[in-house]
Amino acid sequence: AQSVTQLGSHVSVSEGALVLLRCNYSSSVPPYLFWYVQYPNQGLQLLLKYTSAATLVKGINGFEAEFKKSETSFHLTKPSAHMSDAAEYFCAAASGGSYIPTFGRGTSLIVHP
Amino acid sequence: NAGVTQTPKFRILKIGQSMTLQCTQDMNHNYMYWYRQDPGMGLKLIYYSVGAGITDKGEVPNGYNVSRSTTEDFPLRLELAAPSQTSVYFCASSYRDSRSYEQYFGPGTRLTVT
Repeated sequence: AQSVTQLGSHVSVSEGALVLLRCNYSSSVPPYLFWYVQYPNQGLQLLLKYTSAATLVKGINGFEAEFKKSETSFHLTKPSAHMSDAAEYFCAAASGGSYIPTFGRGTSLIVHP
Repeated sequence: NAGVTQTPKFRILKIGQSMTLQCTQDMNHNYMYWYRQDPGMGLKLIYYSVGAGITDKGEVPNGYNVSRSTTEDFPLRLELAAPSQTSVYFCASSYRDSRSYEQYFGPGTRLTVT
């Protein structure tokens, strides 16, 4: 079964600093990969997705992620953090013909002024 | 489009009571899902449906039931509520094909069982 690991339950950065949130998946078959963001007291919304078209995927709000098959990783980055980026971020993967994504446990991004 | 809507937003139940969480989507999605979210635990799949009349268990189905009589609606029923069911519940939907697999989430229902 597919599994998704997000390293670090909390990541703290200063405003203007690089954001790096890590995600690794377990499938031997390249899956569909997603990053979702959850702002306080809201549902999840899609940031970006990888569907095998391009390994570097650009999303909303300046975020991007790179699919690295050799490392089974799909890390999320943003060059310069903004206070409004403070939220919970979830990585998810779907593969093998299943439309049921597997979610990581989430990483809380804290942005300091 | 309203997307995925959930009602109620908040609810407090006493132990042993029952309730139904409502979920409706207006995107004509075939797939619908129910998740629960507990602090630090991510999302746990309760039940899902691949179309009207078809439902299946997810990772944590015990204590819950679902039905899918229409494409739009996917209610979640809690029978004999227990404190362990205190959680935030999210409904989601997605297309059936490989267009994206991406899910659209509702705003959630925060449930407390005391």
